[in-house]
Amino acid sequence: GENVEQHPSTLSVQEGDSAVIKCTYSDSASNYFPWYKQELGKGPQLIIDIRSNVGEKKDQRIAVTLNKTAKHFSLHITETQPEDSAVYFCAASTGNTPLVFGKGTRLSVIA
Amino acid sequence: DAGITQSPRHKVTETGTPVTLRCHQTENHRYMYWYRQDPGHGLRLIHYSYGVKDTDKGEVSDGYSVSRSKTEDFLLTLESATSSQTSVYFCAISEKDSSYEQYFGPGTRLTVT
Repeated sequence: GENVEQHPSTLSVQEGDSAVIKCTYSDSASNYFPWYKQELGKGPQLIIDIRSNVGEKKDQRIAVTLNKTAKHFSLHITETQPEDSAVYFCAASTGNTPLVFGKGTRLSVIA
Repeated sequence: DAGITQSPRHKVTETGTPVTLRCHQTENHRYMYWYRQDPGHGLRLIHYSYGVKDTDKGEVSDGYSVSRSKTEDFLLTLESATSSQTSVYFCAISEKDSSYEQYFGPGTRLTVT
């Protein structure tokens, strides 16, 4: 089955700097790659996703890149703000199988 | 916010007792999921449902059972709770299969003593 590895497990950045979180997956048939943000005491919430027919997707300060050959995808957050502090999860799915999540990255943005 | 509620929100129970957690949705979404979240393990799928009375196992299904008799309700049962089942449990829903956005509930914190 699918295995998703996520790095780093913790990340601290200064406010205004960029943050990058990386994930690798094992199943070459995976074609859907969402990123979820979880704030303290809440359930995860989708922030951006990418499908295998595109290499990059942007939404304001957030972008995701996908390299299908290398089987890895990354989340990029620019101009980080204190409200970006949260736990971020990547995930992968073939569509016919359930999502498999990475173990999460705790991002701290230091003002 | 998607209309998902979980009950109870917190529960403390003793080893060996049965426990049932409820997930209720008002979105009429076909798919429903139960995850557990533990430090260092992220989110792991326990069971999921793709329709009324249609369920399947996830990665960590041992010790858990589920039932879905109505579109809006998905129940997770621990037949005989163990300390290893102390966790935060999240329910999620999606309109279609796993290549679509999942909306998560607020979670249930379960402690088995």
